[in-house]
Amino acid sequence: GAGVSQSPSNKVTEKGKDVELRCDPISGHTALYWYRQSLGQGLEFLIYFQGNSAPDKSGLPSDRFSAERTGGSVSTLTIQRTQQEDSAVYLCASSPGSNTDTQYFGPGTRLTVL
Amino acid sequence: SQQGEEDPQALSIQEGENATMNCSYKTSINNLQWYRQNSGRGLVHLILIRSNEREKHSGRLRVTLDTSKKSSSLLITASRAADTASYFCATNPDYKLSFGAGTTVTVRA
Repeated sequence: GAGVSQSPSNKVTEKGKDVELRCDPISGHTALYWYRQSLGQGLEFLIYFQGNSAPDKSGLPSDRFSAERTGGSVSTLTIQRTQQEDSAVYLCASSPGSNTDTQYFGPGTRLTVL
Repeated sequence: SQQGEEDPQALSIQEGENATMNCSYKTSINNLQWYRQNSGRGLVHLILIRSNEREKHSGRLRVTLDTSKKSSSLLITASRAADTASYFCATNPDYKLSFGAGTTVTVRA
Protein backbone atom coordinates (compact mmCIF):
# COMPACT_ATOMS: atom_id res chain seq x y z
CA GLY A 1 0.00 0.00 0.00
CA ALA A 2 0.98 3.65 -0.25
CA GLY A 3 3.33 4.95 2.37
CA VAL A 4 3.80 8.44 3.74
CA SER A 5 4.49 10.92 0.97
CA GLN A 6 6.03 14.37 1.20
CA SER A 7 6.40 17.22 -1.22
CA PRO A 8 8.47 18.81 -2.49
CA SER A 9 11.42 16.45 -2.17
CA ASN A 10 13.81 19.39 -2.38
CA LYS A 11 13.27 23.08 -1.79
CA VAL A 12 15.77 25.86 -2.22
CA THR A 13 14.71 29.28 -1.03
CA GLU A 14 16.16 32.64 -0.20
CA LYS A 15 16.52 33.89 3.33
CA GLY A 16 13.39 35.73 4.41
CA LYS A 17 10.99 33.84 2.15
CA ASP A 18 8.14 31.67 3.43
CA VAL A 19 7.97 27.96 2.58
CA GLU A 20 5.28 25.29 2.85
CA LEU A 21 6.04 21.61 3.19
CA ARG A 22 3.37 19.01 2.65
CA CYS A 23 2.80 15.57 4.16
CA ASP A 24 0.29 12.91 3.14
CA PRO A 25 0.11 10.26 5.87
CA ILE A 26 -0.84 6.64 5.44
CA SER A 27 -4.60 6.35 5.00
CA GLY A 28 -6.34 5.65 8.28
CA HIS A 29 -3.46 6.74 10.48
CA THR A 30 -4.73 9.17 13.09
CA ALA A 31 -1.36 10.31 14.41
CA LEU A 32 0.99 12.52 12.41
CA TYR A 33 4.41 13.83 13.41
CA TRP A 34 6.92 16.31 12.02
CA TYR A 35 10.63 15.99 12.75
CA ARG A 36 13.66 17.92 11.60
CA GLN A 37 17.11 16.50 10.91
CA SER A 38 20.02 18.84 10.60
CA LEU A 39 23.18 17.70 8.82
CA GLY A 40 24.76 14.72 10.58
CA GLN A 41 22.32 14.88 13.48
CA GLY A 42 19.53 12.76 14.85
CA LEU A 43 15.92 13.72 14.47
CA GLU A 44 14.39 16.56 16.43
CA PHE A 45 10.68 16.42 17.24
CA LEU A 46 8.68 19.41 16.02
CA ILE A 47 4.93 18.81 16.30
CA TYR A 48 2.38 16.02 16.82
CA PHE A 49 -1.24 15.71 15.70
CA GLN A 50 -3.60 13.06 17.08
CA GLY A 51 -7.11 12.91 15.73
CA ASN A 52 -9.12 15.97 16.64
CA SER A 53 -7.07 16.79 19.72
CA ALA A 54 -5.11 20.00 20.02
CA PRO A 55 -1.64 19.43 18.52
CA ASP A 56 1.48 19.23 20.64
CA LYS A 57 3.60 22.10 19.34
CA SER A 58 6.22 21.91 22.05
CA GLY A 59 9.03 21.07 19.63
CA LEU A 60 8.59 24.02 17.28
CA PRO A 61 11.82 26.05 17.53
CA SER A 62 10.25 29.49 17.05
CA ASP A 63 6.99 31.24 16.24
CA ARG A 64 8.08 31.33 12.59
CA PHE A 65 7.12 27.66 12.45
CA SER A 66 3.51 26.53 12.27
CA ALA A 67 1.65 23.47 11.08
CA GLU A 68 -1.88 22.46 10.39
CA ARG A 69 -3.65 19.26 9.56
CA THR A 70 -6.80 19.56 7.51
CA GLY A 71 -9.55 16.99 7.74
CA GLY A 72 -7.43 14.75 9.90
CA SER A 73 -5.26 13.78 6.95
CA VAL A 74 -2.87 16.01 4.99
CA SER A 75 -0.57 18.27 6.97
CA THR A 76 1.33 21.39 5.99
CA LEU A 77 4.37 22.71 7.84
CA THR A 78 4.95 26.41 7.20
CA ILE A 79 8.15 28.26 7.93
CA GLN A 80 7.90 32.04 7.70
CA ARG A 81 10.83 34.37 7.06
CA THR A 82 13.23 31.46 6.62
CA GLN A 83 16.71 31.66 8.09
CA GLN A 84 19.86 29.76 7.08
CA GLU A 85 19.69 27.69 10.28
CA ASP A 86 16.34 26.35 9.07
CA SER A 87 18.19 24.35 6.41
CA ALA A 88 17.57 20.68 7.20
CA VAL A 89 15.64 17.62 6.12
CA TYR A 90 12.06 17.80 7.35
CA LEU A 91 10.54 14.39 7.93
CA CYS A 92 6.91 13.51 8.43
CA ALA A 93 5.70 10.29 10.04
CA SER A 94 2.35 8.74 10.78
CA SER A 95 1.13 5.94 13.01
CA PRO A 96 -2.18 4.15 13.54
CA GLY A 97 -2.79 6.05 16.73
CA SER A 98 -1.38 4.56 19.88
CA ASN A 99 1.50 6.40 21.49
CA THR A 100 3.46 3.18 21.44
CA ASP A 101 2.91 2.47 17.77
CA THR A 102 5.61 2.21 15.17
CA GLN A 103 5.98 5.45 13.25
CA TYR A 104 6.23 5.25 9.47
CA PHE A 105 8.33 7.92 7.86
CA GLY A 106 8.09 9.70 4.54
CA PRO A 107 11.13 10.38 2.32
CA GLY A 108 11.54 13.88 3.69
CA THR A 109 11.89 17.36 2.22
CA ARG A 110 15.41 18.76 2.00
CA LEU A 111 15.19 22.49 2.64
CA THR A 112 18.10 24.73 1.75
CA VAL A 113 17.96 28.38 2.73
CA LEU A 114 20.47 30.51 0.86
CA SER B 1 16.77 17.01 23.33
CA GLN B 2 18.23 13.68 22.28
CA GLN B 3 17.71 10.86 24.71
CA GLY B 4 19.36 8.02 22.83
CA GLU B 5 23.05 7.85 22.11
CA GLU B 6 24.47 5.31 19.68
CA ASP B 7 27.91 3.82 19.89
CA PRO B 8 30.09 3.65 17.87
CA GLN B 9 29.50 6.72 15.72
CA ALA B 10 30.89 4.89 12.69
CA LEU B 11 31.58 1.28 11.81
CA SER B 12 33.29 -0.22 8.78
CA ILE B 13 33.11 -3.96 8.18
CA GLN B 14 33.70 -6.51 5.46
CA GLU B 15 30.74 -8.06 3.68
CA GLY B 16 29.69 -11.20 5.51
CA GLU B 17 30.84 -9.98 8.91
CA ASN B 18 28.51 -9.10 11.76
CA ALA B 19 27.87 -5.51 12.82
CA THR B 20 27.00 -4.57 16.37
CA MET B 21 25.95 -1.15 17.58
CA ASN B 22 24.75 0.01 20.95
CA CYS B 23 22.26 2.54 22.21
CA SER B 24 21.99 4.10 25.65
CA TYR B 25 19.08 6.18 26.86
CA LYS B 26 18.23 8.20 29.93
CA THR B 27 14.61 7.90 31.03
CA SER B 28 12.11 5.06 31.32
CA ILE B 29 10.52 3.96 28.07
CA ASN B 30 7.49 2.18 26.63
CA ASN B 31 9.51 0.68 23.83
CA LEU B 32 12.68 1.16 21.85
CA GLN B 33 12.83 1.15 18.07
CA TRP B 34 15.64 0.87 15.56
CA TYR B 35 15.51 2.66 12.22
CA ARG B 36 17.74 2.67 9.16
CA GLN B 37 18.37 5.72 7.00
CA ASN B 38 19.90 5.60 3.56
CA SER B 39 21.47 8.68 2.00
CA GLY B 40 20.15 11.04 4.65
CA ARG B 41 16.51 10.73 3.65
CA GLY B 42 13.51 8.73 4.87
CA LEU B 43 13.80 6.35 7.78
CA VAL B 44 12.87 2.71 7.50
CA HIS B 45 11.56 1.02 10.61
CA LEU B 46 13.54 -2.12 11.42
CA ILE B 47 12.35 -3.49 14.70
CA LEU B 48 10.51 -2.52 17.88
CA ILE B 49 11.23 -4.05 21.26
CA ARG B 50 8.90 -3.39 24.17
CA SER B 51 10.11 -2.54 27.64
CA ASN B 52 9.09 -5.97 28.97
CA GLU B 53 11.05 -7.83 26.28
CA ARG B 54 14.73 -8.69 26.48
CA GLU B 55 15.52 -9.95 23.01
CA LYS B 56 13.89 -9.90 19.60
CA HIS B 57 14.81 -11.25 16.18
CA SER B 58 13.81 -10.22 12.69
CA GLY B 59 15.59 -11.90 9.80
CA ARG B 60 19.29 -11.04 10.13
CA LEU B 61 18.59 -8.56 12.92
CA ARG B 62 18.85 -9.26 16.62
CA VAL B 63 17.97 -6.63 19.20
CA THR B 64 18.51 -6.82 22.93
CA LEU B 65 17.18 -4.53 25.60
CA ASP B 66 18.45 -4.13 29.16
CA THR B 67 16.18 -1.71 30.98
CA SER B 68 18.27 -1.91 34.17
CA LYS B 69 21.22 -0.49 32.23
CA LYS B 70 19.04 1.62 29.94
CA SER B 71 20.77 0.17 26.92
CA SER B 72 20.01 -1.73 23.74
CA SER B 73 22.09 -3.37 21.06
CA LEU B 74 21.43 -4.09 17.39
CA LEU B 75 23.26 -6.95 15.71
CA ILE B 76 23.22 -7.37 11.95
CA THR B 77 24.49 -10.78 10.96
CA ALA B 78 26.10 -11.73 7.64
CA SER B 79 26.21 -8.11 6.48
CA ARG B 80 25.66 -7.12 2.87
CA ALA B 81 26.60 -4.05 0.88
CA ALA B 82 22.94 -3.01 1.00
CA ASP B 83 23.21 -2.72 4.79
CA THR B 84 25.38 0.37 4.33
CA ALA B 85 23.34 3.09 6.05
CA SER B 86 22.94 5.07 9.23
CA TYR B 87 21.18 3.31 12.08
CA PHE B 88 19.25 5.12 14.78
CA CYS B 89 17.70 3.99 18.00
CA ALA B 90 14.59 5.82 19.10
CA THR B 91 12.81 5.74 22.40
CA ASN B 92 9.38 6.98 23.28
CA PRO B 93 8.65 7.62 26.90
CA ASP B 94 5.54 9.20 25.36
CA TYR B 95 4.41 9.60 21.76
CA LYS B 96 7.43 11.64 20.71
CA LEU B 97 10.29 9.59 19.40
CA SER B 98 13.64 10.71 20.73
CA PHE B 99 16.52 9.79 18.44
CA GLY B 100 20.23 9.52 18.92
CA ALA B 101 22.75 10.86 16.42
CA GLY B 102 23.09 7.42 14.83
CA THR B 103 25.76 4.92 13.86
CA THR B 104 27.01 5.06 10.27
CA VAL B 105 27.73 1.56 8.98
CA THR B 106 29.79 0.96 5.87
CA VAL B 107 29.91 -2.57 4.48
CA ARG B 108 32.87 -3.14 2.16
CA ALA B 109 32.52 -5.60 -0.68
